[in-house]
Parts: sequence; C-alpha cells; structure tokens
Amino acid sequence: QTVVTQEPSFSVSPGGTVTLTCGLSSASVSTNHYPTWYQQTPGQAPRSLIYNTNTRSSGVPDRFSGSILGNKAALTITGAQADDESDYYCVLYMGSGISVFGGGTKLTVL
Amino acid sequence: EVQLVESGGGLVKPGGSLRLSCVASAFTFSSYSMNWVRQAPGKGLEWVSSISSTTNYIYYADSVKGRFTISRDNAKNSLFLQMNSLRAEDTAVYYCARGATYYYHSSGYYYPIDYWGQGTLVTVSS
Repeated sequence: QTVVTQEPSFSVSPGGTVTLTCGLSSASVSTNHYPTWYQQTPGQAPRSLIYNTNTRSSGVPDRFSGSILGNKAALTITGAQADDESDYYCVLYMGSGISVFGGGTKLTVL
Repeated sequence: EVQLVESGGGLVKPGGSLRLSCVASAFTFSSYSMNWVRQAPGKGLEWVSSISSTTNYIYYADSVKGRFTISRDNAKNSLFLQMNSLRAEDTAVYYCARGATYYYHSSGYYYPIDYWGQGTLVTVSS
C-alpha cells in the first residue's frame, strides 16, 4: 500500500517563508511522480496551485513555488499572508493512471 | 469562466446505487480529460477516477474499482459517475474536476487538475 506523507500541521509567521513536503513511505519522490499541490480552505472546493513539480496554475502568485528537495516534493510559500492559512494537499502519480493524495498539511499563519 | 456543476448526490442505503452528474461550461469540454475526487467528512482528498477526452483511457482507485463507472457525454458537456454497491465509507463530497493537461508515464496517463466544481454530498447510511 503506497502512502503519501505530509506534515499534519505547520505554522508560519506573517511575511515568513515555509516549506511543506510530500514524501513516499517506501521510495523517493521524483519528477516522474508529477507532484501536484492543492490548497483548500474549510467549506470550500480545492484550488489548484502547482502541477508537474513546479508549474503554477493560472492566477497563482509567484509566492508559491514547487520543487524536489532531497527525496521529497516541496511547496514553498514566501511572504506568507493571512489568507494562506489553509489545508495543503499534494498528490503523486503512481503509474498506470493511478494518483494518490497525501493526508494534507494544515498551515497556520500566526 | 470555467464552471463545473455537480448534481445527483443524496442519501442512499448501503448496497444502493447513485449516479452523479457534472455539467461543464465556458470551455471546450470534449478537449479535456476529467476527474472525480472525493472528500469524506473531516478527512482529506481522495482521487476516485479519471477519463480521457475521448474515453479511450479510464482509471479507477482500487477502493472503487468494480463498483464505480466513470463516463462522459461530450455532446452534452457532461461527466458522470455511476456508483453501485455503495458502502458507508463512500460517504463524501464528490468533486468533478478538469484535467489541465496530460502526462504519460509508467503505462498510464496522469491528468493534473486545474478547475474544480463545488461538489455534491453523497451519504451512505441505513
């Protein structure tokens, strides 16, 4: 059973920089997993942020960036703002058309 | 602006069936792959199924394979999810979502999402 791992929670100060990660329980994440990131605030539909490791979706500010750091995918938010306080989900492509979401990271801005 | 509007959710008994629909507008529906993603109450997101623009490629999560069927009607700009043999653990908000593009790797296609609907709630309970 493939498990995609994310930090359950993280906090950042307003104006600060935070890096959220997305890993695999039994392997390294690579660009062949096409790491993708979504943002969701409570009660709302998700919003697409990053796909294919580092391609920003339309309208996403360049404060959000994606990368591979070591053996994980990473989402970095620079200059954190109050409305960045959300849940962040990564998804990895596992091959054969199958995608697996991570459990999500609850980001607090305080 | 791209719009995806889901319908068909509701309360159903375990073992029952339900058919979800999603109507798309403001883009050329027939040119895009589509996805269903669900979210159980208070839980994270779970990919359910994907379908290519021409229906040549269809994929399912193991948790729904053999019970759910994804389909589309490009003439009616509509995506469907037929859900049979429903279980309590299928209770969730079901989102219809557009594939931004496609990537081929390891014997299959991946369709990252760029637009999401607002979701429809499916409750499986006796």
